[in-house]
Amino acid sequence: SQQGEEDPQALSIQEGENATMNCSYKTSINNLQWYRQNSGRGLVHLILIRSNEREKHSGRLRVTLDTSKKSSSLLITASRAADTASYFCASPGRGGSNYKLTFGKGTLLTVNP
Amino acid sequence: DADVTQTPRNRITKTGKRIMLECSQTKGHDRMYWYRQDPGLGLRLIYYSFDVKDINKGEISDGYSVSRQAQAKFSLSLESAIPNQTALYFCATSDVGGNYGYTFGSGTRLTVV
Repeated sequence: SQQGEEDPQALSIQEGENATMNCSYKTSINNLQWYRQNSGRGLVHLILIRSNEREKHSGRLRVTLDTSKKSSSLLITASRAADTASYFCASPGRGGSNYKLTFGKGTLLTVNP
Repeated sequence: DADVTQTPRNRITKTGKRIMLECSQTKGHDRMYWYRQDPGLGLRLIYYSFDVKDINKGEISDGYSVSRQAQAKFSLSLESAIPNQTALYFCATSDVGGNYGYTFGSGTRLTVV
């Protein structure tokens, strides 16, 4: 079963614009992670935010976490054509160190030149 | 060399055949995972292993088996392939704490005809 659900399912923007993707999850979590997947390739870990953090930055990425609403958002600023990919949120739920990630279905981001 | 290597990259096999997908990693991680990705369904966990002697079923293990030959090697077998096992298969590793996310291989695209 899916722990996280991304929204929207697809997003198309122009280069230079910001892209925002949202993730909602069902159960309490230790952390929430975002991954990128270029077409047909493996997933690449982008950023991890812990349950006691509210916001985290990494380069052009900004992730927020609202545990009261069980939601997270990923913002990509000044998007580039190379950002075109699918983006997934994933969380391990709560389980101490014996965790395994459950992934959402992803948001397909298309950045048009 | 890639941190996580999957072989083969692509495979076409016939219904009823036994097939093995292989995964090796150079991260030195104890934890390894096999996921399956289908369009519209995201990634689903097939099997996971927290160390060489610890192997666990994921959410969709029926029709699959695994072998953890060493810390660095984790193979997935389809005992008798069927067409609905056509999918993209990913191997991943993580450290015990999960603090740095998963590292994924490039995937094996399997087609069962």
